[in-house]
Amino acid sequence: EAGVAQSPRYKIIEKRQSVAFWCNPISGHATLYWYQQILGQGPKLLIQFQNNGVVDDSQLPKDRFSAERLKGVDSTLKIQPAKLEDSAVYLCASSLALLAGGRQETQYFGPGTRLLVL
Amino acid sequence: GENVEQHPSTLSVQEGDSAVIKCTYSDSASNYFPWYKQELGKRPQLIIDIRSNVGEKKDQRIAVTLNKTAKHFSLHITETQPEDSAVYFCAAIPNQGGKLIFGQGTELSVKP
Repeated sequence: EAGVAQSPRYKIIEKRQSVAFWCNPISGHATLYWYQQILGQGPKLLIQFQNNGVVDDSQLPKDRFSAERLKGVDSTLKIQPAKLEDSAVYLCASSLALLAGGRQETQYFGPGTRLLVL
Repeated sequence: GENVEQHPSTLSVQEGDSAVIKCTYSDSASNYFPWYKQELGKRPQLIIDIRSNVGEKKDQRIAVTLNKTAKHFSLHITETQPEDSAVYFCAAIPNQGGKLIFGQGTELSVKP
């Protein structure tokens, strides 16, 4: 089966500019995640969607970051305006479903978008 | 909230030796513990996972053990090969939500 797709793979912008990332999850996966991975660290969740609804956005810096998944399939993550500390890899992941009782299906990651803010 | 600590941060072994990476978690309600392997510039790839109702799981040269009482779990790689060289991340999912809480990562180097 096709994996999680992300674009672009690389992006270089100057601080205060805007940038958007796109993710297409595995077909049929209801749950979609955006993680931020700073160099040398483990990924950190920014936002989690179940279909087109937000499940968890507690770690999303809402003054500059926004995300949407309007039709419950593809998702976009936007940063406006970008700061130097936003330089990181932005990983999208998907899983089949968030099951009742909290039992979690395996999360599959996309290749990531490498962002450099100058 | 959940916090995951991972040790060591770097690990160097000779080809053929075993490697062990350990993680501790803070939320006793966490019930799912995956391990991911991430090669340089690549996506994290799931290599093995364990659920809280199981104490040990094996898949060829890889095994994971879970001690719920002590709130720690470990990754064991036997007969290491140079292609095992990568950064390994442990993670936990708090019972109330689906987000993965990752450890800090272990850079494993297998010397031929």
